[in-house]
Amino acid sequence: GAGVSQSPSNKVTEKGKDVELRCDPISGHTALYWYRQSLGQGLEFLIYFQGNSAPDKSGLPSDRFSAERTGGSVSTLTIQRTQQEDSAVYLCASSPSGIYGYTFGSGTRLTVV
Amino acid sequence: AQTVTQSQPEMSVQEAETVTLSCTYDTSESNYYLFWYKQPPSRQMILVIRQEAYKQQNATENRFSVNFQKAAKSFSLKISDSQLGDTAMYFCAYAQTTSGTYKYIFGTGTRLKVLA
Repeated sequence: GAGVSQSPSNKVTEKGKDVELRCDPISGHTALYWYRQSLGQGLEFLIYFQGNSAPDKSGLPSDRFSAERTGGSVSTLTIQRTQQEDSAVYLCASSPSGIYGYTFGSGTRLTVV
Repeated sequence: AQTVTQSQPEMSVQEAETVTLSCTYDTSESNYYLFWYKQPPSRQMILVIRQEAYKQQNATENRFSVNFQKAAKSFSLKISDSQLGDTAMYFCAYAQTTSGTYKYIFGTGTRLKVLA
């Protein structure tokens, strides 16, 4: 597609359930990033994928969070045993190279009730 | 550690007027990249303008320009001839280039409202 696609757009889940958020980057973009945006906060880095290199997971807030990128394209962010503090907008971005700026998706708004 | 500070949580400007959004950052690196992103209510983050630290010339993109003061570690965004469509959250970002990962560090944003 022409842009970064994220699904679902909105997700409401019960506390304790697992959720999967999907990101389909722009074709040919080797770099893929996940950020979290909480109400009134800036964007918090979660994880970064670059080609076939090992991902940079330094921003994942706990071991309940994991992500994978299959075939160098689609990425899935998984949150296990969701907590209310996980409620946020999860943004995915891709880039051919970070020095030129990211292209962001429209995000997934996650609400944990 | 690098930090990005946007000290104006909210601002407003009359349509057709000029407004400046401030951003300061802290880094010990000499070469880096700075960005301004716009986030309208649709949530889509849109790249507004980009500055390379080794370039002294301030970047411009149509009605958007920056005042980059490297020594002061300041990177403000000027919006000229403000339009209603400029109403959005604006985020300043610093690209951390350690190990070539280009992780961006974002400020907390400035909510700009353009008044008719």
